Amino acid sequence: QQQVKQSPQSLIVQKGGISIINCAYENTAFDYFPWYQQFPGKGPALLIAIRPDVSEKKEGRFTISFNKSAKQFSLHIMDSQPGDSATYFCAATTSGTYKYIFGTGTRLKVLA
Amino acid sequence: DAGVIQSPRHEVTEMGQEVTLRCKPISGHDYLFWYRQTMMRGLELLIYFNNNVPIDDSGMPEDRFSAKMPNASFSTLKIQPSEPRDSAVYFCASRVGGGPTEAFFGQGTRLTVV
Repeated sequence: QQQVKQSPQSLIVQKGGISIINCAYENTAFDYFPWYQQFPGKGPALLIAIRPDVSEKKEGRFTISFNKSAKQFSLHIMDSQPGDSATYFCAATTSGTYKYIFGTGTRLKVLA
Repeated sequence: DAGVIQSPRHEVTEMGQEVTLRCKPISGHDYLFWYRQTMMRGLELLIYFNNNVPIDDSGMPEDRFSAKMPNASFSTLKIQPSEPRDSAVYFCASRVGGGPTEAFFGQGTRLTVV
């Protein structure tokens, strides 16, 4: 019940295209869902996050869509750029536990 | 602040040897986390501390692994004896409490056990 399932494992997108990464969870107590971006040789860094009281959050070209009833959330990267090539992790946490449960990651490659 | 600082960046050791990884969290952060990253399992939480006290060590794989936080500015993760299957990238992260907040990660230590 503590797992966060992420797909796909890897993704190749043409420059200017839309990248979509999906995550699903079981624990309905999760109440904060961040996405982290990791470049090779670096630690993960927060990209965008959402709480379950909203269905969508947008920051620039990055959008999180959240479906509470389906227990799913996804990251959309619009107008994907080669600089977006990185590994993306979804995560979930419950207020009060302070620990994140991460998905297994998606390696995104955006072709120039 | 320089962010979360981990050392060493790379460690190569022989099977059976003791390995110690080090972490300096961001000043003022009261939560510290140790993660292990592998291709197969992604980012796994090993243990986390609140105000230097271990809160949850259920992710520590076995007794060969131990972690300490003697003060607010320093933590260690020790593997003794090390085994080839411990080869991974180990990350330290810190954050402030008071609700869900951003966890800041260090650059990681790439451990290779031969």
